[in-house]
Amino acid sequence: NAGVTQTPKFQVLKTGQSMTLQCAQDMNHEYMSWYRQDPGMGLRLIHYSVGAGITDQGEVPNGYNVSRSTTEDFPLRLLSAAPSQTSVYFCASSRPREGYTFGSGTRLTVV
Amino acid sequence: SQQGEEDPQALSIQEGENATMNCSYKTSINNLQWYRQNSGRGLVHLILIRSNEREKHSGRLRVTLDTSKKSSSLLITASRAADTASYFCAPTNQAGTALIFGKGTTLSVSS
Repeated sequence: NAGVTQTPKFQVLKTGQSMTLQCAQDMNHEYMSWYRQDPGMGLRLIHYSVGAGITDQGEVPNGYNVSRSTTEDFPLRLLSAAPSQTSVYFCASSRPREGYTFGSGTRLTVV
Repeated sequence: SQQGEEDPQALSIQEGENATMNCSYKTSINNLQWYRQNSGRGLVHLILIRSNEREKHSGRLRVTLDTSKKSSSLLITASRAADTASYFCAPTNQAGTALIFGKGTTLSVSS
């Protein structure tokens, strides 16, 4: 009963580096989403997916790529990290039109 | 944007009192969800109310939805210190495929 697993929990990147934040769920949920949370801003939707092979942009997609090759995994790629991408990133999953289960987050710092 | 907007931004009460948080949104929804976040942790799903429902209860939680006014409220009765957290309203898009969060209400319950 792992739920939603995010790795790594903490990461420091240099400006311009690329990396992938991993998200995996073991609940056979069709829907998966990525959010970023900044102080005073609540959570903002980056990208989401309604099933394998289907992704869509959220509120703040620029600078991020996603893919959904399997139901279980939904990685988030930062192509060229910028200090503005310093944030806490949350992945979440759900069955259609049900409540979401959130991961514990990845705290990313870009220097 | 479909973003939910919570009111008030912060709320301080004594144990045993009731806490009411309000949420407004802008466009048609499939459902509206409420989440709790303890400091530095992931979000926990509290309750989901569908667009054709007007009221829903879960333990000490009561949620109302008025689609004509595009508003919802969350009532926590007989608050406890353990209820201290941030509470977020998250209306879905009309297809129900993604949640858009507001900035949240920070609730402090003192003993």
